[in-house]
Amino acid sequence: TQLLEQSPQFLSIQEGENLTVYCNSSSVFSSLQWYRQEPGEGPVLLVTVVTGGEVKKLKRLTFQFGDARKDSSLHITAAQTGDTGLYLCAGLQTGANNLFFGTGTRLTVIP
Amino acid sequence: EPEVTQTPSHQVTQMGQEVILRCVPISNHLYFYWYRQILGQKVEFLVSFYNNEISEKSEIFDDQFSVERPDGSNFTLKIRSTKLEDSAMYFCASSEEGLGGDTQYFGPGTRLTVL
Repeated sequence: TQLLEQSPQFLSIQEGENLTVYCNSSSVFSSLQWYRQEPGEGPVLLVTVVTGGEVKKLKRLTFQFGDARKDSSLHITAAQTGDTGLYLCAGLQTGANNLFFGTGTRLTVIP
Repeated sequence: EPEVTQTPSHQVTQMGQEVILRCVPISNHLYFYWYRQILGQKVEFLVSFYNNEISEKSEIFDDQFSVERPDGSNFTLKIRSTKLEDSAMYFCASSEEGLGGDTQYFGPGTRLTVL
């Protein structure tokens, strides 16, 4: 079983603050995807990162894939209450097409 | 924007009954997947499907499970004799290709409750 650990598991911050969520593994992934999931709904794709060291920005969200393609981070600048949700990282290994999901980070942004 | 759809949104069944969960993947996608998420746990891979056959399956996907693409648009997951522990959210996903950099798009899920 390939384990993707996310930290922190829970995060509660004030609106306007910055935060970073981490996704770590001892395994190498050919790509890594970040999803956001609302209660009772399916994961909604935020971004896919493929190249080691890659940085992608989506408005206030910045995603980075580690040089060794074993880890990733999600940084949110000036968090808003609408950012509240469960953030999941999921990795694909070379030669496989099944996603391994992380343990998730539940973010609460307090107004 | 194209999306994966799933029906029903919620299915309640008695233990031992057969259920069929339905999915319509994004139309130009070639790879299809089923995942499940037991309440409070991680999303787990069940099976991937390409060219009318299973390409990968997990340990969870035992003989009680089967998948089918009965026509050009639907992709189904059948559980032959449901158990209490099959209660979970079941997500269908699809991707254009099954390559490492490809993105899987998820449907809204079917909540299966086995009584």
